[in-house]
Amino acid sequence: QKEVEQDPGPLSVPEGAIVSLNCTYSNSAFQYFMWYRQYSRKGPELLMYTYSSGNKEDGRFTAQVDKSSKYISLFIRDSQPSDSATYLCAMSGSNTGKLIFGQGTTLQVKP
Amino acid sequence: GAGVSQTPSNKVTEKGKYVELRCDPISGHTALYWYRQSLGQGPEFLIYFQGTGAADDSGLPNDRFFAVRPEGSVSTLKIQRTERGDSAVYLCASSLRDRIYSGANVLTFGAGSRLTVL
Repeated sequence: QKEVEQDPGPLSVPEGAIVSLNCTYSNSAFQYFMWYRQYSRKGPELLMYTYSSGNKEDGRFTAQVDKSSKYISLFIRDSQPSDSATYLCAMSGSNTGKLIFGQGTTLQVKP
Repeated sequence: GAGVSQTPSNKVTEKGKYVELRCDPISGHTALYWYRQSLGQGPEFLIYFQGTGAADDSGLPNDRFFAVRPEGSVSTLKIQRTERGDSAVYLCASSLRDRIYSGANVLTFGAGSRLTVL
């Protein structure tokens, strides 16, 4: 079993839809939770990060962490065709630089 | 530089050959990471450096893989006796050292080196 599980999709939604992306994990030592976005043939770029449990909002994006359930989510409101990409969750413990990534979910937003 | 630079962007080699992949991190970033990403998968951790030393090399799959960072800046990932299963995109990332101990470890990635072993 992988430390971080993420449904690979693909997920296809119409423009303007609310998108929900999720990851589960098994390592209770994870303290930092991140979402990266990766366009085709590009490196991942950081969207958001959250420390421990709670919510964080940044524009159309909201990240949620539920450590009791070992479950994290990313919500995208008013999705746009430019949001079409692969979304990767990533996690780390408190005293390591090592990030563990999920498989990535491919999202397509149709105009 | 402004971002993480990786060369070559594409490398095609034959099974059994030796390959070197280079990473030039963001100026001032003391931590450097190598990941491998196979098609349809997330990045898989290989190794990371704090300065010149390898802080964690637990992800290197076997002794054919080796990485160095002799002056604490540029790093080279070396793969000996390449196999077809080594075909993947090799991603390099860098981060500020103090982020690791005082907050989230924000990695900035390069575009990757795509390795194809025939």
